[in-house]
Amino acid sequence: AQKVTQAQTEISVVEKEDVTLDCVYETRDTTYYLFWYKQPPSGELVFLIRRNSFDEQNEISGRYSWNFQKSTSSFNFTITASQVVDSAVYFCALSGAGAGGTSYGKLTFGQGTILTVHP
Amino acid sequence: DVKVTQSSRYLVKRTGEKVFLECVQDMDHENMFWYRQDPGLGLRLIYFSYDVKMKEKGDIPEGYSVSREKKERFSLILESASTNQTSMYLCASSEGGRSYEQYFGPGTRLTVT
Repeated sequence: AQKVTQAQTEISVVEKEDVTLDCVYETRDTTYYLFWYKQPPSGELVFLIRRNSFDEQNEISGRYSWNFQKSTSSFNFTITASQVVDSAVYFCALSGAGAGGTSYGKLTFGQGTILTVHP
Repeated sequence: DVKVTQSSRYLVKRTGEKVFLECVQDMDHENMFWYRQDPGLGLRLIYFSYDVKMKEKGDIPEGYSVSREKKERFSLILESASTNQTSMYLCASSEGGRSYEQYFGPGTRLTVT
């Protein structure tokens, strides 16, 4: 069975602070994909990044960066110099092979982390 | 841009009513999904479909059914709504295969009284 754990339920920071959102996953699959989504107050989940299990290179996109470490089964997300517009719920998710390799892209989501950035 | 639309943003129904939630995507995606989102529980998969007329149960299918008669449309049905089905319902679609990201609709907040 797959599992994604986001231990931080809520994080509150002041603008311009750096913040890291933790994500730990469990899977028996050797090939899998990890995702981060952002859910702003409007409600619609927005895709941020996908990472496959064979690519452990960290990725940076503007103020966002992701640290994937297979050794600790973690895929953490850092926002540098946070802004009020970063306030949202952030979800980490995992897509594995599924039974017989036919997962059809089903995602297992973590519980989400509510990030509030104060001006 | 991929567009996933849901028939209602807010819905209020009475216990025992039959409820239909509709989802339409415009990108010819093979896969479509229905989730419910509850505080502290994240998103949980109810049902998904990988082709027209094909469906599979997710993690919490009890009390729900689905229908996919056309590729672009995926409906979630609550046969007899109950108060514990009060939740946010999210529809998503993706290309075939497990490496592709899912695109989400805006959600339907359903209240069952």
